[in-house]
Amino acid sequence: AQTVTQSQPEMSVQEAETVTLSCTYDTSENNYYLFWYKQPPSRQMILVIRQEAYKQQNATENRFSVNFQKAAKSFSLKISDSQLGDTAMYFCAFMKLNFNKFYFGSGTKLNVKP
Amino acid sequence: DAGVIQSPRHEVTEMGQEVTLRCKPISGHNSLFWYRQTMMRGLELLIYFNNNVPIDDSGMPEDRFSAKMPNASFSTLKIQPSEPRDSAVYFCASSLRQSAYEQYFGPGTRLTVT
Repeated sequence: AQTVTQSQPEMSVQEAETVTLSCTYDTSENNYYLFWYKQPPSRQMILVIRQEAYKQQNATENRFSVNFQKAAKSFSLKISDSQLGDTAMYFCAFMKLNFNKFYFGSGTKLNVKP
Repeated sequence: DAGVIQSPRHEVTEMGQEVTLRCKPISGHNSLFWYRQTMMRGLELLIYFNNNVPIDDSGMPEDRFSAKMPNASFSTLKIQPSEPRDSAVYFCASSLRQSAYEQYFGPGTRLTVT
């Protein structure tokens, strides 16, 4: 079975600073996808970034980037120049290739302070 | 694109009553997922469909829960009879398997069973 662990239940960061959210996963698969989703107070789940395991290059989307360490089974999310609108729950998710069932972590609550 | 549509957005019912949650996936998507989110258990996958066929219902908590997808544009999740412990936010999500499996979530239905 696949498991996803987010060890930081809650974090805070000052506006304009950089913060890193951690995620580790356990799998015997070699090919898979990893995702970060954001859930603001509106509770809408929004895809932030996606990483394919076969790609060595870390994915980047504007202020959001990941540090994907396949051997260590680690997938952290870095948010640069944090904005008040980044305040949300962040969920890490794992999916086996060709098997579109997601395994979600327990989430990290991020609070961006003005 | 209207996104994934869920109705109702809020539902309050009494214990023992039947509850039906509805979902319209994004047009053209061929996979549909039902999730439940609670503070205690986080985000749980209840069931998912590929091409209207249920693939994995191992997350359905008990026989009181049932889900159907009669066509590609509509799905229901039914709870009969409802219990207070069913109180949660229920999300529907859809994806297109050919597009890197990203799941697009609806706004959720907040269910309260008294």
